[in-house]
Amino acid sequence: EIVMTQSPATLSVSAGKRATLSCRASQSVYSNLAWYQQKPGQAPRLLIYGASTRATDVPARFSGSGSGTEFTLTISSLQSEDFAVYYCQQYNIWPRTFGQGTKVEIK
Amino acid sequence: QVQLVQSGTELKKPGASVKVSCNASGYIFTNYGIDWVRQAPGQGLEWMGWISGYTGNTNYAQHFQGRVTMTTDTSTSTAYLELRNLRSDDTGVYYCARGPGVLSPADYWGQGTLVSVSS
Repeated sequence: EIVMTQSPATLSVSAGKRATLSCRASQSVYSNLAWYQQKPGQAPRLLIYGASTRATDVPARFSGSGSGTEFTLTISSLQSEDFAVYYCQQYNIWPRTFGQGTKVEIK
Repeated sequence: QVQLVQSGTELKKPGASVKVSCNASGYIFTNYGIDWVRQAPGQGLEWMGWISGYTGNTNYAQHFQGRVTMTTDTSTSTAYLELRNLRSDDTGVYYCARGPGVLSPADYWGQGTLVSVSS
């Protein structure tokens, strides 16, 4: 199975600043990569699919990039509601696999 | 609007089985599949498997092979997850999500079902 590795595990950022999250796949997943946001006590929410396409109603401050094995999620100016855990997931082949998550916390 | 509504909290003893339901609305059930994802307390997301809403074909994660069965009832637009021979480390929140299939991510998610396994 494809192993997804996210870094860092925790990211401390001040509100209004940029956050950059990384995700690496153990083999190429082309652009079949999604990012999810999860807040405490809530279900995950799809943010990005196709590595760079924002899902419905996702603010423009969220952007995704990359292909193959290296991917990045950027939040251009962190808002209070963006502090959460972010997961990447490959859906190129079965089984789908998630990264272990990056927690974005207030600095 | 697309909604996935899951069944309520389950309390089980080790060795028992649990069956979680996921009722879908707001879209044509047979045009999509359903992913099942587990989250242990304080841990990350673990993909369990996927079932086609059209054919009933399944893809299970190796970790759950032999203990899990995913089914659907197209007459009620409901998907089911059954997990057998429960252990304490099966405790967690189980989510269903609308999953078009390979090469498409799960987009809409249910609210989650807490399954607690304890003697």
